[in-house]
Amino acid sequence: GQQVMQIPQYQHVQEGEDFTTYCNSSTTLSNIQWYKQRPGGHPVFLIQLVKSGEVKKQKRLTFQFGEAKKNSSLHITATQTTDVGTYFCAGAKYNFNKFYFGSGTKLNVKP
Amino acid sequence: DGGITQSPKYLFRKEGQNVTLSCEQNLNHDAMYWYRQDPGQGLRLIYYSQIVNDFQKGDIAEGYSVSREKKESFPLTVTSAQKNPTAFYLCASSIIFFTGNNEQFFGPGTRLTVL
Repeated sequence: GQQVMQIPQYQHVQEGEDFTTYCNSSTTLSNIQWYKQRPGGHPVFLIQLVKSGEVKKQKRLTFQFGEAKKNSSLHITATQTTDVGTYFCAGAKYNFNKFYFGSGTKLNVKP
Repeated sequence: DGGITQSPKYLFRKEGQNVTLSCEQNLNHDAMYWYRQDPGQGLRLIYYSQIVNDFQKGDIAEGYSVSREKKESFPLTVTSAQKNPTAFYLCASSIIFFTGNNEQFFGPGTRLTVL
């Protein structure tokens, strides 16, 4: 079954609006990664979070890792058309040497 | 240019035929992975390898086989036993095996269609 849940599945926003996607795991994660996949492309690494409560920023993107290390979010401020794509989280669990990918959130930005 | 190459980009095969997808990397990465992506779903791990001549099954290994005879290469064979082989296949590599501290670099993918 799905190890890491991600919501929403789709998000349509007007350019300039904010966007957030959430990932949740029923068990504690050792770390979580975020990837972006453009239409027709392959996933590209964005960031990795390791510490409880960690917050990292990349320009308009803000990534958070929950205090319990069971959830994470990606927030984009003032979306642009270049943000279009599918955003995936990938969580690694303790004692398991593999990542579990969320189902992704497909972002569409209307100009 | 350093990176991961997968070929071909599109592949068509008749039902019942085995097909091998290639994956080559010149990043000197130890670990390599194969994922399958279906519409509306995330990536599901098929096989992974952390070192030459060693590989492990992922979550959906049935109907697939791999080899890791060289550090640079990790070919995936989709056998006739795979019940629903039509999908987008992605190969990835990372510096060291799933320590949790290394990003995965993905190839461009191969879209396999079984007719």
